[in-house]
Amino acid sequence: DGGITQSPKYLFRKEGQNVTLSCEQNLNHDAMYWYRQDPGQGLRLIYYSQIVNDFQKGDIAEGYSVSREKKESFPLTVTSAQKNPTAFYLCASSVTGFDSPLHFGNGTRLTVT
Amino acid sequence: QKEVEQDPGPLSVPEGAIVSLNCTYSNSAFQYFMWYRQYSRKGPELLMYTYSSGNKEDGRFTAQVDKSSKYISLFIRDSQPSDSATYLCAMIGAGTGNQFYFGTGTSLTVIP
Repeated sequence: DGGITQSPKYLFRKEGQNVTLSCEQNLNHDAMYWYRQDPGQGLRLIYYSQIVNDFQKGDIAEGYSVSREKKESFPLTVTSAQKNPTAFYLCASSVTGFDSPLHFGNGTRLTVT
Repeated sequence: QKEVEQDPGPLSVPEGAIVSLNCTYSNSAFQYFMWYRQYSRKGPELLMYTYSSGNKEDGRFTAQVDKSSKYISLFIRDSQPSDSATYLCAMIGAGTGNQFYFGTGTSLTVIP
């Protein structure tokens, strides 16, 4: 089955630690996205990538980093510089361009204490 | 002003009711419109994808776009308890830098 796999589903970390969230897709999509979802705030774009080895900052990139070494993989690192990292993180992908919809993974809930 | 406005609800209806969910937007560059359903602690699932103005029907779901009014709607007929979820609208267009714009979501509960 084609889809987007995010792992782990739940992640717990201590403050001051970096943590990497995994996102893998087998849809052969060129574009991949990371969003953060907080109650009452909707989806906010962290980073996106239209092609391998290239990515752009979204609206809330501070404290996050990404890499895109393979077409199917787009891991997100939440660094200790992110002031409020506890959130629900969603990875998504689409065929490149504005004329195809986003498809989402099932998210990773990160809790930092 | 936000690019996309969506009433967060919550909306509560009896089983079998017709549900109307709406979003308004301000950017005339938006051309493609999507509705997603999101269950608690899950990722959004694409329900409807439409281009420009008009209606699109898929089973109990109808998506409607009125570009002249910058208004989109999702209608759910014969609503079921399994439709209880948060519904997100999303949109994108040629002039939006390949970025999707989302509403904040409407929480719907269908009461048996």
